[in-house]
Amino acid sequence: GNSVTQMEGPVTLSEEAFLTINCTYTATGYPSLFWYVQYPGEGLQLLLKATKADDKGSNKGFEATYRKETTSFHLEKGSVQVSDSAVYFCALFTSGTYKYIFGTGTRLKVLA
Amino acid sequence: DTAVSQTPKYLVTQMGNDKSIKCEQNLGHDTMYWYKQDSKKFLKIMFSYNNKELIINETVPNRFSPKSPDKAHLNLHINSLELGDSAVYFCASSQVSGRNNEQFFGPGTRLTVL
Repeated sequence: GNSVTQMEGPVTLSEEAFLTINCTYTATGYPSLFWYVQYPGEGLQLLLKATKADDKGSNKGFEATYRKETTSFHLEKGSVQVSDSAVYFCALFTSGTYKYIFGTGTRLKVLA
Repeated sequence: DTAVSQTPKYLVTQMGNDKSIKCEQNLGHDTMYWYKQDSKKFLKIMFSYNNKELIINETVPNRFSPKSPDKAHLNLHINSLELGDSAVYFCASSQVSGRNNEQFFGPGTRLTVL
């Protein structure tokens, strides 16, 4: 079945450091891929998405590229801020299944 | 306007009680979901309704019963609450037809069973 694997956290970085959170997936068909962010005490919000191979999703300085050859959708940001501290979820959706598959979440802590 | 709303935001209750959580979406989506998030932030799908029809029913105790009176509402009723039911419950909605399959989440209901 479909699955999403993302790196274990927590990830602790200093402000302005480079961020990578790895995400790989297994899916039949051509899934849409998402990164969601959950700030403390809140629900999940869509951060970015990509719907086909080689698409790059970007938002708030974060980027991720849909790589079909490596079945990956790694999240990157060039310079993190304290306000980026949150839990990040990688997810996929395959049309016709109704079900979104989420990774286990990666907690990011950014220190001033 | 809030896209996906849930009530209540916090729910504290005793073991054995029955409680309900309500969810409403004003996005015109055709599919709604309930998720349970544990203390380690793991997100587990519980139920999903598409156009008021139950389409996902994961391994969830019979004490949990979803109800969808219309496409915009999906409520969750829990009977005989247990300590292990303590978690944050999220409602979500999406339009599964078409290519824009982004899922929108509510703010969550933190359930504490004493």
